[in-house]
Amino acid sequence: NAGVTQTPKFQVLKTGQSMTLQCAQDMNHEYMSWYRQDPGMGLRLIHYSVGAGITDQGEVPNGYNVSRSTTEDFPLRLLSAAPSQTSVYFCASRRSRGSNQPQHFGDGTRLSIL
Amino acid sequence: EDQVTQSPEALRLQEGESSSLNCSYTVSGLRGLFWYRQDPGKGPEFLFTLYSAGEEKEKERLKATLTKKESFLHITAPKPEDSATYLCAIINNNDMRFGAGTRLTVKP
Repeated sequence: NAGVTQTPKFQVLKTGQSMTLQCAQDMNHEYMSWYRQDPGMGLRLIHYSVGAGITDQGEVPNGYNVSRSTTEDFPLRLLSAAPSQTSVYFCASRRSRGSNQPQHFGDGTRLSIL
Repeated sequence: EDQVTQSPEALRLQEGESSSLNCSYTVSGLRGLFWYRQDPGKGPEFLFTLYSAGEEKEKERLKATLTKKESFLHITAPKPEDSATYLCAIINNNDMRFGAGTRLTVKP
């Protein structure tokens, strides 16, 4: 059971560089989301998707783009990396946005911006 | 605004010393409260869902309870392998809102 798979696990970028964080799930979940986790602040929602072709902003969307061309994949793009984006990024999925079932998380991407 | 507050931020216990973690919340209509365990370098791992006041769930040494304003995660006779960060989350307007977590250390 793969669940939610994130790549890469670690990444170091220079300010101004762009990159894509990959996320894939094999549970046929409609709802997928991206969070960032910073010390003392908990998980904060960046963007989410309720299905292929449909995305929307969360609590902290600035500096990030997403797209969802398939049910399985939900990549997160950093357009021009800034030191404030140094964080641990988690992708999650659950059956649907309206579901009160728990979310399943990947193991995260640890990103450092120099 | 919906909020989730966890206390304490950190808790150090001796092996076998029982204690409780607190999660207080404000939400217009609770659709579910979740407890997760997070180990260093890993993503959150689901433990329990509670849906209504008075509900209780148990798993090994862990027991979660829910009232209209807060949830407790009771840890009975903890072992060093219970050391982790425990996260609480609520469903609000279809999105999950997380607390900052309690970092639990159990010393042998």
